[in-house]
Amino acid sequence: DAGVIQSPRHEVTEMGQEVTLRCKPISGHDYLFWYRQTMMRGLELLIYFNNNVPIDDSGMPEDRFSAKMPNASFSTLKIQPSEPRDSAVYFCASRPSHPDTQYFGPGTRLTVL
Amino acid sequence: KQEVTQIPAALSVPEGENLVLNCSFTDSAIYNLQWFRQDPGKGLTSLLLIQSSQREQTSGRLNASLDKSSGRSTLYIAASQPGDSATYLCAVPPLYNTDKLIFGTGTRLQVFP
Repeated sequence: DAGVIQSPRHEVTEMGQEVTLRCKPISGHDYLFWYRQTMMRGLELLIYFNNNVPIDDSGMPEDRFSAKMPNASFSTLKIQPSEPRDSAVYFCASRPSHPDTQYFGPGTRLTVL
Repeated sequence: KQEVTQIPAALSVPEGENLVLNCSFTDSAIYNLQWFRQDPGKGLTSLLLIQSSQREQTSGRLNASLDKSSGRSTLYIAASQPGDSATYLCAVPPLYNTDKLIFGTGTRLQVFP
């Protein structure tokens, strides 16, 4: 299996632009998670899905952030409009129902100028 | 609210040393505890998962122990190698939602030849 795939790996954009991050989970995994990692705040859970349904989005920082999972093999995290404080590494992870181990993608490094 | 702390924040040791990484959590009512490894510029890789009913788990040169009553877990690395250099994070799910993970701040380990 190719593991969790994220694209792009690096994104540089200007403040106010829309940013879309993409994730393909491991086939057969029921859960998909979006995390954000910064030096100041560490690794934070933004939102997660179970069977394509958003379960908990309490970590989404603002209405500028939205996430979708239209099918079992694809999810997007969108930031509109982007701000410099959104600069971080964004990780996608997936896991099966059991066991609880999460498998992480390589991350997308976002820089908002 | 569950808080997870890791000490030390950074550690530098010569090759061959046995070492211990510490993880503390404030709420002892946990479902499980997981240890992850993160290489620079990469995603997280799961190392060990200890269920709340277990006291320890072993994988190769790694041994993780869990003491729920004291709110602590340790990751023991035997005969350290330069390839062990990475950041090690522990994570626990809150009891109110065992699908989520709360991550510690990590210990950055450097093993020099």
